Amino acid sequence: DTAVSQTPKYLVTQMGNDKSIKCEQNLGHDTMYWYKQDSKKFLKIMFSYNNKELIINETVPNRFSPKSPDKAHLNLHINSLELGDSAVYFCASSQGMSSSGNTIYFGEGSWLTVV
Amino acid sequence: SQQGEEDPQALSIQEGENATMNCSYKTSINNLQWYRQNSGRGLVHLILIRSNEREKHSGRLRVTLDTSKKSSSLLITASRAADTASYFCATDSGMRFGAGTRLTVKP
Repeated sequence: DTAVSQTPKYLVTQMGNDKSIKCEQNLGHDTMYWYKQDSKKFLKIMFSYNNKELIINETVPNRFSPKSPDKAHLNLHINSLELGDSAVYFCASSQGMSSSGNTIYFGEGSWLTVV
Repeated sequence: SQQGEEDPQALSIQEGENATMNCSYKTSINNLQWYRQNSGRGLVHLILIRSNEREKHSGRLRVTLDTSKKSSSLLITASRAADTASYFCATDSGMRFGAGTRLTVKP
């Protein structure tokens, strides 16, 4: 079974649309993350949730809204998509905060292309 | 923000050679982790080193940590073509990553 699964894997959409990426982890972890990897492979943290509570919220446009209905799910909703949103989005999870040295488990990524 | 910055950006070696990549950071840490990313895949944890450790081994991997220089290095010995991937470091402060080192091992 996949530990961290995210859907869809590929998404091509037009500018101005609203889209969501779903993420689920079956590891029993209480911390989940969203990362964005741009074309230069720079991996940037966007959000971190611990027990459904927002812990990290980097400087991300408010068009991006994470939603955590329960500890096992962290979905990413993006409004009014722009060309610059094209990237690979990774969901991840860990048992406890990463500051304690906990390993982060990553999903396989969602390739978003905005045209 | 506290993130790991990997160096070099890219490294190309022959199979059997050793590969060394470095990571620098700016503030005090409790631990530092190295991850690997195969092309088109998510990151996979390789090894963690704590601030009170200077060196750690795992198979063909050797990680060192110099807290006085705020740097870490990852050494892959006797590299294989299958080691071709990007390698990232991240400190415990929010687990922020850089752009990674892209390692290519030629058969």
